[in-house]
Amino acid sequence: AQSVTQPDIHITVSEGASLELRCNYSYGATPYLFWYVQSPGQGLQLLLKYFSGDTLVQGIKGFEAEFKRSQSSFNLRKPSVHWSDAAEYFCAVAGPDGNKLVFGAGTILRVKS
Amino acid sequence: IAGITQAPTSQILAAGRRMTLRCTQDMRHNAMYWYRQDLGLGLRLIHYSNTAGTTGKGEVPDGYSVSRANTDDFPLTLASAVPSQTSVYFCASSPNRQETQYFGPGTRLLVL
Repeated sequence: AQSVTQPDIHITVSEGASLELRCNYSYGATPYLFWYVQSPGQGLQLLLKYFSGDTLVQGIKGFEAEFKRSQSSFNLRKPSVHWSDAAEYFCAVAGPDGNKLVFGAGTILRVKS
Repeated sequence: IAGITQAPTSQILAAGRRMTLRCTQDMRHNAMYWYRQDLGLGLRLIHYSNTAGTTGKGEVPDGYSVSRANTDDFPLTLASAVPSQTSVYFCASSPNRQETQYFGPGTRLLVL
């Protein structure tokens, strides 16, 4: 069965600092991988996705993520964090059937000025 | 274009009562989904529908039912609500089942 682990429940970074949010997945074949962001009281917005091809994917708002099959990871990065990036971030994995989108527990990002 | 709308925005419900959460999308997406979000657990899939007229069970289907009479609407029904169904419920849709899912704003449900 698919599973996703986001090891960090909370992360605090200073504005302007770099960011990396960790995501590890468990899936037997090549997964479909996603990062979503949720602002307080809002629904989820897609940041980026990986289906195949180039393992470094670019998303919206200056985010990128790298798929590393050998490490079963799909970590999210941003070179310079803005205060507006404070939110909860969810990594998700789907298998080929596309229905079983499994989410990690989320990482809450706090940005200090 | 509204995308996905959910109603109500929030609801307080007595245990044992029946409740239907509504979800409507105007993107003509074939696939639709219901998730519940609980602190520390992320989102878990309740039910899904690949196309109008078909539905399937997700990870946590017990106590919930769905129907998909047409492309746009995908209501979620709690036949007899219990306190453990207190959660935030998100509806999502995708063009087809293997494509990116787009989420509605959520319904906050408190069962007392």
